[in-house]
This record gives sequence, C-alpha cells and structure tokens, in this order.
Amino acid sequence: DAKTTQPPSMDCAEGRAANLPCNHSTISGNEYVYWYRQIHSQGPQYIIHGLKNNETNEMASLIITEDRKSSTLILPHATLRDTAVYYCIVRVPNSGGSNYKLTFGKGTLLTVNP
Amino acid sequence: DTGVSQNPRHKITKRGQNVTFRCDPISEHNRLYWYRQTLGQGPEFLTYFQNEAQLEKSRLLSDRFSAERPKGSFSTLEIQRTEQGDSAMYLCASTDTGYSTIYFGEGSWLTVV
Repeated sequence: DAKTTQPPSMDCAEGRAANLPCNHSTISGNEYVYWYRQIHSQGPQYIIHGLKNNETNEMASLIITEDRKSSTLILPHATLRDTAVYYCIVRVPNSGGSNYKLTFGKGTLLTVNP
Repeated sequence: DTGVSQNPRHKITKRGQNVTFRCDPISEHNRLYWYRQTLGQGPEFLTYFQNEAQLEKSRLLSDRFSAERPKGSFSTLEIQRTEQGDSAMYLCASTDTGYSTIYFGEGSWLTVV
C-alpha cells in the first residue's frame, strides 16, 4: 500500500505557483520522497526527489518539513501543460528490499486554469 | 538516451486472443519493471527483472501473463487468452544499478473487445 496521503484534486491559475501537499507521517529515516506526474494517456514522468533538504531543479522545488512527515511540491509558474496527476511516493532508492519499486497511490489531479 | 520505448502503443484485440508487448529500456539500465494502469487508478506493479532474472511477480500477474527478458536487454509481456478485464495501459520502466531514478515509457494501451 502507498504510504502517502494527497488531496484528490487541486486547481491553480495559470502563471501562479502551484503548491501540492503530501503527508508521509510513517516515513522511515532512509526513505526518500519522490514526485512523479502523469499527463493524460502518457507514462509517469519523474519530477524530483529528496531526503531531508529542500531540492530544486528545472521543473520544480521540493520542500520537506524538518520532521519529514510531510512535503510540498512547488511548480513556481504553472502553465496549462502542467495539468496532470501528481504522485508523491516514498522509496528507498538503493535497496534490494521491498522498497526498491515505486508504489503509486491515486495522486492529486492538478488542473491549471487559464 | 532515447528513453524507455514501448511497442505497440495501442492494441485492440478480440477476447481470447494472445497479445505481446515489447519494452526497450534505457541503454545500460539493468533493472526493468512492468506496471498496469486502469482508468482512474495509479499504476500497479506487475513484475521486476534484474538483468535477465525475474525477481518478483505481483499476485496481479495471473497464469495468463508471462514476462521475459531473454538477454537482459529488451523485455516482452505476453497475455494469453485475453479477457475484457485485461484492458488497461501497460507501462514499462527501467533504472540502473544504483536503484536510483526510475524512468517510465509512454505505455501500451490494450483494449479487449
């Protein structure tokens, strides 16, 4: 079962920042937080991941709380093409155990409105 | 890198027929995954290969499903005697030795009529 909780849907105005929350209150010390998104009818696309420090790349920023029980994915200037389902997943990246694979929940459907 | 490639992208088949999907992972990625996704749901894990060895199979992978990765490169997923409930998108993904980022293909849509 997925170890994360996300709101089923969110709306955002085009050009504004989109802040997508994720709760992972049972996260273990060696589990990373991964974010993927899936645009309609396409395969999931990797966005970003982090352990405990905030991370930023060309697509988004990831803010992880100090206790690591929740995180927020930030799309700084959302566009219509960012409309997608966003998945928050916890995983141990360098493990041969059961956490090696990605376990998806239902994610958050982000709709960016013009 | 050309990314994870899946073929065919779309397949319509009659109930009872066999279908096969192919996945070409990113070059030098030795770990390969198959997932299935139905409408409104997140992807569900089916099976995992490390090189040519199939190391894990989900209980979702019934006896009608078989996956192979004969030389540790491309993989095939075959569904025998298809049923309407098999209609879904089948996703392939790959990663490298460090179990780091997993990259997905665009998926293969199956419609069983």
